[in-house]
Amino acid sequence: GENVEQHPSTLSVQEGDSAVIKCTYSDSASNYFPWYKQELGKRPQLIIDIRSNVGEKKDQRIAVTLNKTAKHFSLHITETQPEDSAVYFCAATTTGSSNTGKLIFGQGTTLQVKP
Amino acid sequence: DAGVTQSPTHLIKTRGQHVTLRCSPISGHKSVSWYQQVLGQGPQFIFQYYEKEERGRGNFPDRFSARQFPNYSSELNVNALLLGDSALYLCASSLPTGTVDYEQYFGPGTRLTVT
Repeated sequence: GENVEQHPSTLSVQEGDSAVIKCTYSDSASNYFPWYKQELGKRPQLIIDIRSNVGEKKDQRIAVTLNKTAKHFSLHITETQPEDSAVYFCAATTTGSSNTGKLIFGQGTTLQVKP
Repeated sequence: DAGVTQSPTHLIKTRGQHVTLRCSPISGHKSVSWYQQVLGQGPQFIFQYYEKEERGRGNFPDRFSARQFPNYSSELNVNALLLGDSALYLCASSLPTGTVDYEQYFGPGTRLTVT
């Protein structure tokens, strides 16, 4: 069945360092890959997404890369700050009128940025 | 993600009871999805509704049901509650554009505790 694997489960970095979170998906029909940030007790917040016709997308300190052949996508955070500390979830779905658009989520990565 | 509202915020129920959770999407959004998030895990897809029609259903028992109203708000109903139903229930709002359905924005969730 559809599955998204996410690694690592926990990640601790020093403030100013970079952080990388990796995901692998199983459904080759997946064409939309969002990333969500969830702070303790709060809603998942969409921070960046990428579609299958693009290999890389950047928004200030965060970037996402996609390798469709390998079915991998990754989140890169540069110049990390303490406020980046949260749980990050990757997700994959297939969009289109004949699809539900249901998001299949990874297991989450707890990022801790030490001051 | 601003604008998706859910009620109630917290709920405590006893095994065997039923519960109704409510969601109002972002103004102009026509699609609502429901997810269950157990502590320490990623959200799991339950239902998606668009224009009052069910577009997709996840791997949940028939005790779970939902509907969408003409104003695009939605209800999730769970009957015969089990301890394992304790979770954060998230509603996500999205705006299908043509035949593409993407960018789901989450509400704050309803924390359900079953005792």
